[in-house]
Amino acid sequence: DSGVTQTPKHLITATGQRVTLRCSPRSGDLSVYWYQQSLDQGLQFLIQYYNGEERAKGNILERFSAQQFPDLHSELNLSSLELGDSALYFCASSRDRANSPLHFGNGTRLTVT
Amino acid sequence: AQTVTQSQPEMSVQEAETVTLSCTYDTSESDYYLFWYKQPPSRQMILVIRQEAYKQQNATENRFSVNFQKAAKSFSLKISDSQLGDAAMYFCAYRSGGGYNFNKFYFGSGTKLNVKP
Repeated sequence: DSGVTQTPKHLITATGQRVTLRCSPRSGDLSVYWYQQSLDQGLQFLIQYYNGEERAKGNILERFSAQQFPDLHSELNLSSLELGDSALYFCASSRDRANSPLHFGNGTRLTVT
Repeated sequence: AQTVTQSQPEMSVQEAETVTLSCTYDTSESDYYLFWYKQPPSRQMILVIRQEAYKQQNATENRFSVNFQKAAKSFSLKISDSQLGDAAMYFCAYRSGGGYNFNKFYFGSGTKLNVKP
C-alpha cells in the first residue's frame, strides 16, 4: 500500500460530460502529481501541485483542470469529455526531499463512451 | 529539460535467467536521483529500486540491481533469477536534486518485459 488514495477506481461516462477525480496524498507529502496513461502507453505528466500551489504543467488540455486544497487532497476535473480521454489517471505524491520517490495511487480508470 | 530514454520497447527472458533493461538520460545537473518502477498487468506503479547520483555503489534490492554509469548517463536494471511475477512494464525515472527543476520527475517510455516459463 503506497498510502496514496484515489477515488473512484472506475468511472464510466458519456462524451461531453464532466468528471472529478480525487486524490489523497501520503501523510506528510506536500507534492501531488497527476499523470495520464492510455492503454499500453507511457505516463503523460499533466500537472503538479505543491502545498496548494501549482508548480508545473505538462501536456494538460484546457478542458482539464486541477487544484490542491488546504488539507492537501487534490482533484482533477475533466470536462467536455471525448473518447480519447479514456485512460488510467494516476495521482502520485512525494516528500519535499530530492531522494524521495513518487508514490502512486492505484489510479482511476476512466472510460468515455 | 531532462530526457530519459528506454530504447527497448519490449524484451523477453526465460524463467530463472537474467535480463538487463537499459535506460539512458540526458542532464547537465550533477545532483539527481534515479528510480525504476514496475507496472504489472494490474497497472499499479511499484517502486523497484532507487539510486543516488552521488553514490558510486550500485543499488541492490534482492534480485534487482542497477548498473549506474554516471559518465555515460546510463542506469540499467538487472533482474536475476527471473520469475513469472516479474513480467511487467518497467519505467525508468529521473528526479532533479535541486534548483529550478527540483520536484520534477521525468519518465522513460517503458520496457515491456515478458517472462517465458
